[in-house]
Amino acid sequence: SQTIHQWPATLVQPVGSPLSLECTVEGTSNPNLYWYRQAAGRGLQLLFYSVGIGQISSEVPQNLSASRPQDRQFILSSKKLLLSDSGFYLCAWSVTEYTEAFFGQGTRLTVV
Amino acid sequence: GEDVEQSLFLSVREGDSSVINCTYTDSSSTYLYWYKQEPGAGLQLLTYIFSNMDMKQDQRLTVLLNKKDKHLSLRIADTQTGDSAIYFCAEKSGSARQLTFGSGTQLTVLP
Repeated sequence: SQTIHQWPATLVQPVGSPLSLECTVEGTSNPNLYWYRQAAGRGLQLLFYSVGIGQISSEVPQNLSASRPQDRQFILSSKKLLLSDSGFYLCAWSVTEYTEAFFGQGTRLTVV
Repeated sequence: GEDVEQSLFLSVREGDSSVINCTYTDSSSTYLYWYKQEPGAGLQLLTYIFSNMDMKQDQRLTVLLNKKDKHLSLRIADTQTGDSAIYFCAEKSGSARQLTFGSGTQLTVLP
């Protein structure tokens, strides 16, 4: 069966420090991968999605970047965190762009 | 662009039925989903419905779709305290590569 792993679960980082959140999917090949952010007030915002290795689409301009170095690995990064980057980050995958998405457990990022 | 709206809060008594409502604007929506998020956790897919269906039932969950009014609802029968969570409605149109989420409905089950 397919599983999605996301880590770390919680992270407290100072302003200006770098960020690297990792997400991996097991049990499937060539998944569509997504990074969402859930800010206070709980709305979900799509940040990035990827349909294949090295293929990243950005939905909103921001201080973050994403990379997909391997088929089932999706990384969310920042060179210098801002206070406004605080939030709950969710990784998700789907079989195709037309099917439902399955979510990881999320990473709570607090920038101080 | 696409928009999905939900009421923010719903409280019910344990054992009663809960009905969570959602409206969407994209008439080309092909799939509509309900996700559940418990505190501090990721989203869990509960159920989904194709746009050519009116109803789908899965144990205690019933999804109703009124495509003409672009209205989706999730009914939870015999609501339990473990059902307390935030419920997200989401839609995907044929041309989109990602889900569009509503803001979520906080369901509180009272003893």
